Amino acid sequence: QKEVEQNSGPLSVPEGAIASLNCTYSDRGSQSFFWYRQYSGKSPELIMFIYSNGDKEDGRFTAQLNKASQYVSLLIRDSQPSDSATYLCAVNILGGYNKLIFGAGTRLAVHP
Amino acid sequence: DGGITQSPKYLFRKEGQNVTLSCEQNLNHDAMYWYRQDPGQGLRLIYYSQIVNDFQKGDIAEGYSVSREKKESFPLTVTSAQKNPTAFYLCASSSGVAAFFGQGTRLTVV
Repeated sequence: QKEVEQNSGPLSVPEGAIASLNCTYSDRGSQSFFWYRQYSGKSPELIMFIYSNGDKEDGRFTAQLNKASQYVSLLIRDSQPSDSATYLCAVNILGGYNKLIFGAGTRLAVHP
Repeated sequence: DGGITQSPKYLFRKEGQNVTLSCEQNLNHDAMYWYRQDPGQGLRLIYYSQIVNDFQKGDIAEGYSVSREKKESFPLTVTSAQKNPTAFYLCASSSGVAAFFGQGTRLTVV
């Protein structure tokens, strides 16, 4: 079982819709969870991080964490064509050395 | 400006050569990471370091080596033992809250 799993997509949504991106992780003791956006040929950029169960909102983005289900999601409201990118989920694996593991990413395509 | 600087942006390596990728940060972050990304794939962890003079192997450390002699610097050497080194290499640093990335080095074997 991979430590961090994401559906590779592509996820295609119309402009203005809500895009929902999902991520599961295997290490039940993980404490920190991150969402990054990566445009083609560029390095990842941090969108949000979340530590506690529940929702965390930042503008059009909402991160949701359910530690009991080992599940993290990212909602993008009012999706724009500029949101078209690969979204990477990352988890900080416990073990004393702050190991940061990424999922394979979900490609999002927002069409006008 | 504060940030993470990777150099060079593009690097070409001949078969059997060792090459070193540079990563420098002036964010005063303790943790630093090296990842490899192949086309259409996610990031795979090569090595990571929490403090000076200490580092840990990631999931794909074979054929790579690192050093952490200074807090600001975490160079990665791709050795001749790495049989398929062509990839996009990303360095990141973290204060413990979140990791931030450099612009990456694209390595090609010629």
